[in-house]
Amino acid sequence: EDQVTQSPEALRLQEGESSSLNCSYTVSGLRGLFWYRQDPGKGPEFLFTLYSAGEEKEKERLKATLTKKESFLHITAPKPEDSATYLCAVRESAGGSYIPTFGRGTSLIVHP
Amino acid sequence: DGGITQSPKYLFRKEGQNVTLSCEQNLNHDAMYWYRQDPGQGLRLIYYSQIVNDFQKGDIAEGYSVSREKKESFPLTVTSAQKNPTAFYLCASSTHTGDVNNEQFFGPGTRLTVL
Repeated sequence: EDQVTQSPEALRLQEGESSSLNCSYTVSGLRGLFWYRQDPGKGPEFLFTLYSAGEEKEKERLKATLTKKESFLHITAPKPEDSATYLCAVRESAGGSYIPTFGRGTSLIVHP
Repeated sequence: DGGITQSPKYLFRKEGQNVTLSCEQNLNHDAMYWYRQDPGQGLRLIYYSQIVNDFQKGDIAEGYSVSREKKESFPLTVTSAQKNPTAFYLCASSTHTGDVNNEQFFGPGTRLTVL
């Protein structure tokens, strides 16, 4: 069973149509949840880190929120340049290595 | 500018050959990582290193080897023992893995294709 599950796998939106991406996790002790954006053929670009339930962070049209079981990446009035794959990663406190585990990502396409 | 570089961008390997992927960072980060990315899969950890001259296996280390002789460099060798090496390889670095704020910064990736 995956520790980090992202949904939906793919999402198509019209420009201006707001929506949310989901990242649910099953780790025992959260020590950070990370969001990244990845453009085709490129390395992931860091967006946000969230540490505790109730925390929120914003950057332009993106807002990330965190609960005890999941995180949402809200995209408000998206533009075509927001098209990318969005990756979620979770770091847990058990084990001591603190290496993040990545989800499979959500592929977002925003049509003009 | 600080960042992570990977080379080459594209690499072609014949069956039975070993190839080495380069990763260099000038962010003064202690930790470095190698991931493999396949279509429809998340990033899977191959190896990571928390300090010079030390490294640990990740989830899919079989058929790969690494070295960490300098803080700035963490090359990955894909050996002939790796049965399905065609993939996109990503190198990342971060401050020490035990730090609170240790988000990873990624390089641009190397796409390896077996001919």
